[in-house]
Amino acid sequence: QQKVQQSPESLIVPEGGMASLNCTFSDRNSQYFWWYRQHSGEGPKALMSIFSNGDKKEGRFTAHLNKASLHVSLHIKDSQPSDSALYFCAVSIVYAQGLTFGLGTRVSVFP
Amino acid sequence: EAAVTQSPRNKVTVTGGNVTLSCRQTNSHNYMYWYRQDTGHGLRLIHYSYGAGNLQIGDVPDGYKATRTTQEDFFLLLELASPSQTSLYFCASSGGTGGQAPLFGEGTRLSVL
Repeated sequence: QQKVQQSPESLIVPEGGMASLNCTFSDRNSQYFWWYRQHSGEGPKALMSIFSNGDKKEGRFTAHLNKASLHVSLHIKDSQPSDSALYFCAVSIVYAQGLTFGLGTRVSVFP
Repeated sequence: EAAVTQSPRNKVTVTGGNVTLSCRQTNSHNYMYWYRQDTGHGLRLIHYSYGAGNLQIGDVPDGYKATRTTQEDFFLLLELASPSQTSLYFCASSGGTGGQAPLFGEGTRLSVL
């Protein structure tokens, strides 16, 4: 069964700083990778997807995928207090068959 | 705007009680999912469905039934609720193309006393 591990468990970042989140997955057949963000009291919201090896940049967020090393990462540049949330890495082998989530990384951005 | 609506938002029941959690999406999505979220376990897939009348077993199905009555509506049933089912439950839907991220509802917090 797919295992998804995230590190670190928590991260404290100064406003304007860079946050780096890591995720490893176990199944080499994995094809779809998303980063979700969850603010307290809300449902998870998709932040960005990455499906091909390499980097993908969307605004202040950059995702990196290396399928050979079973690793995906998310970097948040110029962190804002509103980025304070729980971040999940979610992986899927077959798109329709649901997501396997990591335990999350809690990011706290202080002014 | 695409949305997934869950009801109720909060529910308290007693051990052995019956509970039905409801989920509706008006996004014309084929696929719908039920997850539970627990500290130390992240989100785990309970059941999912490819369409009306279809049901697939997820990773943690024990103690749960589900039913997809229409394309829009997906229900999660706990027929003999136990304290171990105290959790935050999320419904999600997706459109069936690999590029679309599954869309989650706002959750139902269930307490089984």
